[in-house]
Amino acid sequence: GAVVSQHPSWVICKSGTSVKIECRSLDFQATTMFWYRQFPKQSLMLMATSNEGSKATYEQGVEKDKFLINHASLTLSTLTVTSAHPEDSSFYICSAPRTGAGDTQYFGPGTRLTVL
Amino acid sequence: AQTVTQSQPEMSVQEAETVTLSCTYDTSESDYYLFWYKQPPSRQMILVIRQEAYKQQNATENRFSVNFQKAAKSFSLKISDSQLGDAAMYFCAYRSARSGANSKLTFGKGITLSVRP
Repeated sequence: GAVVSQHPSWVICKSGTSVKIECRSLDFQATTMFWYRQFPKQSLMLMATSNEGSKATYEQGVEKDKFLINHASLTLSTLTVTSAHPEDSSFYICSAPRTGAGDTQYFGPGTRLTVL
Repeated sequence: AQTVTQSQPEMSVQEAETVTLSCTYDTSESDYYLFWYKQPPSRQMILVIRQEAYKQQNATENRFSVNFQKAAKSFSLKISDSQLGDAAMYFCAYRSARSGANSKLTFGKGITLSVRP
């Protein structure tokens, strides 16, 4: 099946620093990728849709200046949490749809961000 | 806007028994897809089963099957012969067919399934 990777899997940073999370589709190309945030025992909350070659589309209430998204190529999207604060601590998950494979979205393993 | 409702936050099943997880959704569209995803403690989201709305036949994948009732907007998941490895959080999800695979998923709140040995 299709594989989506995320890096890093776990990151701890100090308050005020920026953190970059990478999402890669390893064996297929994705013009669109999705970024989610998930708190423990809760559902996935869509943050933004990453579009290759154009600006990301952010969901209502998500600060675009705080969560910078760059879709650099057809296999890579990055999420940068700028000036991170403890309330940004969460589990971040990306997904990429693979057309032609039942149009299924495949998910990365997630990144656990802890801001001290 | 589409909504997905999973009203049961938790369920428990005895190993080898059958359990049904409920999901209802609301949409004004006629063409869409429905999914069940599993999230084990590792937190990796795994696709369990998918259903195309235009297909009347219920999808099945080994021990997993769905009861898709389009008129009632209901999409339940039945797990037969439950195994310890089935213990996880299960999410029901909806996707419009309009933009193909690039359409976003709408998730329910999820249900935590525990399996008793």
